[in-house]
Amino acid sequence: GDSVTQMEGPVTLSEEAFLTINCTYTATGYPSLFWYVQYPGEGLQLLLKATKADDKGSNKGFEATYRKETTSFHLEKGSVQVSDSAVYFCASDTGRRALTFGSGTRLQVQP
Amino acid sequence: DADVTQTPRNRITKTGKRIMLECSQTKGHDRMYWYRQDPGLGLRLIYYSFDVKDINKGEISDGYSVSRQAQAKFSLSLESAIPNQTALYFCATSDFSDNQETQYFGPGTRLLVL
Repeated sequence: GDSVTQMEGPVTLSEEAFLTINCTYTATGYPSLFWYVQYPGEGLQLLLKATKADDKGSNKGFEATYRKETTSFHLEKGSVQVSDSAVYFCASDTGRRALTFGSGTRLQVQP
Repeated sequence: DADVTQTPRNRITKTGKRIMLECSQTKGHDRMYWYRQDPGLGLRLIYYSFDVKDINKGEISDGYSVSRQAQAKFSLSLESAIPNQTALYFCATSDFSDNQETQYFGPGTRLLVL
């Protein structure tokens, strides 16, 4: 079945550091891929998405590129801020029913 | 106003009690979902509905039931709550536009079963 694997957290960084959160997927088709973010006490919000190979999703300084050859969709940001502290979820969608989520990666950014 | 609302936001109940969690949306979406979130496990799908007459089990539907009263409303019931149903519950909606599944989440209901 479909699955999404994320790097375990927490990831702790200093402000202005470079961020990478790894995500790989398995799917029988060619899924759309998503990153969602959950700020403390809130629901999940869509951060960015990509629908086909080599697409790059971007939003709020975050980027992720759909790599079919490595079945990956790693999230990156060049300079994190304290306000980026949250839990980040990678997800895939093959169009069959609902999203498949990874287990989430907690990011803590220290001043 | 929020597009996807959930009530209650927090609930404490006792083992064996029946409870209902409500979800309403103003986005006009046909698709609605219930997930639960547990630490280290991400989100797991409980039930989903693609329209008012469509109800489908997710990966962890045992012990839960749902009702799609209208396009805008999707309720989750725990017929006889047990402690391992303590979790954070999220409702979500989507419209599957352009053949893509982008979901919009409510703020969550935190449930504690004693």
